[in-house]
Amino acid sequence: DGGITQSPKYLFRKEGQNVTLSCEQNLNHDAMYWYRQDPGQGLRLIYYSQIVNDFQKGDIAEGYSVSREKKESFPLTVTSAQKNPTAFYLCASATTLNTGELFFGEGSRLTVL
Amino acid sequence: SQQGEEDPQALSIQEGENATMNCSYKTSINNLQWYRQNSGRGLVHLILIRSNEREKHSGRLRVTLDTSKKSSSLLITASRAADTASYFCATDGANDYKLSFGAGTTVTVRA
Repeated sequence: DGGITQSPKYLFRKEGQNVTLSCEQNLNHDAMYWYRQDPGQGLRLIYYSQIVNDFQKGDIAEGYSVSREKKESFPLTVTSAQKNPTAFYLCASATTLNTGELFFGEGSRLTVL
Repeated sequence: SQQGEEDPQALSIQEGENATMNCSYKTSINNLQWYRQNSGRGLVHLILIRSNEREKHSGRLRVTLDTSKKSSSLLITASRAADTASYFCATDGANDYKLSFGAGTTVTVRA
C-alpha cells in the first residue's frame, strides 16, 4: 500500500532536548511538507521540499531543521531553540509543488515535559 | 500566514440533515481545496476547485467558489455519523503554490 508513514505517533521530550520526527513516503512524490497544528488553529507550514537535497523555510521555521537526502524521506528535528514545541506535527507529500492535492501522514504528537 | 478562514467554527446537526460551512480568503488563488480531519488523525483530501470553476460535486459533497467575493462553501448532504470531523479549506496564492489552511469547522453529527 502506498502512503506516508510518520513515527513515532506520540513522543515525550524534556526541555532542552532535540527530537527528530520521521516521515517516509512510497508514493514517488517529489514535494514534501511539514506542518504544525495547535488546538483551534489551522496548519502552519514549517518547511517544505520540492526535490531531493533542496528545502525551503515555511512560515514558522525557527527552532526546526530538516534534511532531504532521499526522495522518500523528510525528517524534522525539533531543536531546543523552539520555544513552544508541544504540538501535533503533520507530514505531507504531493506529486510536485504545484500539483495541488496533499497526502498526509497520521501525525506525531510531541509533548514537552 | 493564514489565508483561509472557515465559518462557523463549530456545527452540530442531526443525522440526515445537510451541513454547510464557508471559507473566506484574502488574496487571489489558483485553487481552493477542502480537507477532512478526524480527531487525532491526518488530513484527508476531499475536493479541489480551480479558480475558473464555480461549482464541483463529489458524492455527497458540493463545493462552490465565488472568486469575486473570495469565498467558498462546502455542503455535505444527508449527513452521517461518520461525517463527524473537522473540515479545513486550503488556498494557494496566484503566484505561490504553498497551501495556507484555515482554522477549520468542527462538525458533529448526532445520531
